[in-house]
Amino acid sequence: GQSLEQPSEVTAVEGAIVQINCTYQTSGFYGLSWYQQHDGGAPTFLSYNALDGLEETGRFSSFLSRSDSYGYLLLQELQMKDSASYFCAVSDNQGGKLIFGQGTELSVKP
Amino acid sequence: DAGVIQSPRHEVTEMGQEVTLRCKPISGHDYLFWYRQTMMRGLELLIYFNNNVPIDDSGMPEDRFSAKMPNASFSTLKIQPSEPRDSAVYFCASSLADGSLYNEQFFGPGTRLTVL
Repeated sequence: GQSLEQPSEVTAVEGAIVQINCTYQTSGFYGLSWYQQHDGGAPTFLSYNALDGLEETGRFSSFLSRSDSYGYLLLQELQMKDSASYFCAVSDNQGGKLIFGQGTELSVKP
Repeated sequence: DAGVIQSPRHEVTEMGQEVTLRCKPISGHDYLFWYRQTMMRGLELLIYFNNNVPIDDSGMPEDRFSAKMPNASFSTLKIQPSEPRDSAVYFCASSLADGSLYNEQFFGPGTRLTVL
């Protein structure tokens, strides 16, 4: 089977840094991706890691350790608009089939 | 491009009725995915297509659910008969296999289905 675990909710203040962790158990692994979903909206792609290490895209970074079956999303200089749910997802082939975690609801406070 | 288009955006129906959800993927994309999202079960992959051919339908909950992709620009997800536990937001997503390491999925706005 396949399973992903991430915290259900995280709270932080504006300007802070927050890390959302994701651990996975999958029969096959091709890469780990992160999606953001605002309340009432659709998931949108944030980042992807196929190899170990850190990928940086502006205020967001994502990290992967394949040996530990672990990854995280790092959000810096938090803004109110970052309040949303964040999903990690595992792809088990290049075709892009994704298995999503349950999501982490991030609340950014003033 | 207009992005992935789904219709209807909201659907309220009574138990036992047939429901058809529609999706138009981004032009040129060769993968199409149907997801269901609920508070209890999260975001679940129901079925996906590659070049209009169903590849994996292991997520389809039961025989009441069926999906088709008659051509590259249109797909349907049908529930017959519908039940209250089918109430959820149904998302369609598409992606392009361009040979890169990863194919970003682009999601449509979703259809919020309520079965009374």
